[in-house]
Amino acid sequence: QKQLVQSGPEVKKPGTSVKVSCKASGFSFSNSAMQWVRRARGQRLEWIGWIVIGTGNTNYRQGLQERVAITRDMSTDTSYMDLSSLRSEDTAVYYCAARTGDGGFDIWGQGTMITVSP
Amino acid sequence: EIVLTQFPATLSLSPGERATLSCGASQSVSRNYLAWYQQKPGLAPRLLIYDASNRATGVPDRFSGSGSGTDFTLIISRLEPDDFAVYYCQQYGTSPWTFGQGTKVEIK
Repeated sequence: QKQLVQSGPEVKKPGTSVKVSCKASGFSFSNSAMQWVRRARGQRLEWIGWIVIGTGNTNYRQGLQERVAITRDMSTDTSYMDLSSLRSEDTAVYYCAARTGDGGFDIWGQGTMITVSP
Repeated sequence: EIVLTQFPATLSLSPGERATLSCGASQSVSRNYLAWYQQKPGLAPRLLIYDASNRATGVPDRFSGSGSGTDFTLIISRLEPDDFAVYYCQQYGTSPWTFGQGTKVEIK
C-alpha cells in the first residue's frame, strides 16, 4: 500500500542543521509531488515548501527559504527536508505528504519530532 | 499570505447529528485549491476533500465539501464515533500555502 516513512526524532543544538528523510513506497514516486509541513506545540500547521519530484522544482515559504532545502533522490524514492541555523522556534513535529495522483496530498508520513535545545 | 479562519473553534455534537464546518479565506483561493483534513491526537492528518469538493479515495460519502472564492464548507452528514477529531482546511492555490487553525468536533 501507499506509504511514507519518516526518519526518527532528533534533538539539536541552536545554530546546527537537521535533515529529515521521507521514504516512499507503493506508488510512483517520480510522478508525485511532496509537501513538507510542521506543527509547533499549540500552533497551527505551517507549510514549509514543496517539490515536484519529477522535475525537482521547489517552492518555499518566504522567511524560511534562506534556511530550508527540500530535495529528492529518485534512486531510493526518498525526499529530504534540510533545515539549517536551527532556533528554538523550529521545535515542532515535521510531516511530509505526497500527492500521488490528480487529487490532493493524500499520503502522509508519521511525523518526525525535532527538538532544538541548548 | 492568505489567512484561513475556521469556525466554529469547537463543535459539540452527538453521534448521528450533522456537522457544518466553515473555512473563510482573506483573499480568493485560486482555482478553489482548498483541501480539508481530519487529524486525531498523535496521528498525521488524513486528506478528506481536495479542490474544495472532491472526496479523496476511500473517504465515506457522509463527508462533503463545497464553496468557492473565499467561503468553503465541510459537512459531515451523520456523525459517527470515529469522526470526532480536529478538522483543518488548507489552501494550495497561492504561495505560501496556508492552513486554518482547526475546528474540533467533540462529543456532546
